[in-house]
Amino acid sequence: QSALTQPASVSGSPGQSITISCTGTSSDVGGYDSVSWYQEHPGKAPKLMIFDVNNRPSGVSNRFSGSKSGNTASLTISGLQAEDEADYYCSSHTSSSTRVFGTGTKVTVL
Amino acid sequence: QVQLRESGPGLVKPSETLSLTCSVSGHSIRSDYYWDWIRQPPGKGLEWIGSLYHTGSTYYNPSLKSRVTFSVDTSKSQFSLRLSSVTAADTGVYYCARQSGVGSSNYVDSWGQGTLVTVSS
Repeated sequence: QSALTQPASVSGSPGQSITISCTGTSSDVGGYDSVSWYQEHPGKAPKLMIFDVNNRPSGVSNRFSGSKSGNTASLTISGLQAEDEADYYCSSHTSSSTRVFGTGTKVTVL
Repeated sequence: QVQLRESGPGLVKPSETLSLTCSVSGHSIRSDYYWDWIRQPPGKGLEWIGSLYHTGSTYYNPSLKSRVTFSVDTSKSQFSLRLSSVTAADTGVYYCARQSGVGSSNYVDSWGQGTLVTVSS
């Protein structure tokens, strides 16, 4: 299975909004509403930010939102803050009942 | 609140078998969740290794399937990973995690702290 495709890096100024894309196929992203997003700070374990395309776990800021169109899912961070600087990974269930992660995106707050 | 902790050797020789154990606390390993292994090579992205249910049902990453074996010890609330014939490419941080959701709706909601495994002679 191939990793989902994400941009290597995205940047924005504090207060701005940024969007990270996650492109797969009809066998993963496009076939299921099972896209999740994870935030990873250096040296720390990843943290679940969005599940089932657009649901936030308890405790996650409402500045984080998710969406999906066809084979591409997106994570939007609004009101960008310094603490949002991290690596972000998408993930999806697949038609083989496996899981695939995205290539990862480094978010930089300018 | 569930807690997961990985344990095992931090150094493994090439061609040998990597063995890690994940201890689960604060939650029954027999509950209706799958338990995952995920790894991350240095400076690279996350790679799903596979999932395990307490009954022994497993799902593996096709690229690793021939070398991976999962097991579970419900009496000790532990599950384990064995990866055979390791090479330097298997070096990385290994995470155990809990998978939530039902059916095709699944996501990892809890992670261990991760343990670094280096493959080197």
